[in-house]
Amino acid sequence: RKEVEQDPGPFNVPEGATVAFNCTYSNSASQSFFWYRQDCRKEPKLLMSVYSSGNEDGRFTAQLNRASQYISLLIRDSKLSDSATYLCVVYGGSYIPTFGRGTSLIVHP
Amino acid sequence: DAGVTQSPTHLIKTRGQHVTLRCSPISGHKSVSWYQQVLGQGPQFIFQYYEKEERGRGNFPDRFSARQFPNYSSELNVNALLLGDSALYLCASSPSTAPLSTDTQYFGPGTRLTVL
Repeated sequence: RKEVEQDPGPFNVPEGATVAFNCTYSNSASQSFFWYRQDCRKEPKLLMSVYSSGNEDGRFTAQLNRASQYISLLIRDSKLSDSATYLCVVYGGSYIPTFGRGTSLIVHP
Repeated sequence: DAGVTQSPTHLIKTRGQHVTLRCSPISGHKSVSWYQQVLGQGPQFIFQYYEKEERGRGNFPDRFSARQFPNYSSELNVNALLLGDSALYLCASSPSTAPLSTDTQYFGPGTRLTVL
């Protein structure tokens, strides 16, 4: 089993839709979690950290489920500009980050 | 303020050659990490340097090496290039004040290496 797994998609949704991605991790000692966004042929940029209590930033909500070892990202009211690849990052006990392969989102008119 | 900068932006090499990639972190950032991203995959951690010392190493062969300079800029060196080394090489800096941390990473635009 891979350390961090994501469904590569693509998720193809209309504008205004709500879409959710999951990211599963295998190391139960993992301590920190993030979502990054990567536009085509660009560098990854931090979208949001994932806290144990969950966190929300505008249309984006991130949650952590330690019991089932996954994090999630929910995007409400999707915009065309949300089209990108969403990468989850998990830090294990060694402070080495492991990225998922990313989930591709395409928002169409 | 300038973000993370990397040079060159693109590079074409042949098998067996050596390559040096350069990175300048955001001003004030002492931690620099290197990643390899092949098409269709997420970035894979290669090295992390803090205060000029290696603090973390990913699962890469000894052909990969790096160093950090007193001004916190960094170089990634790859010897004996293989076709499989073709990838986007990303550098990231972090405002971390500790050798090991999970602080936010700020990525540079990357160097796209093609090995023929």
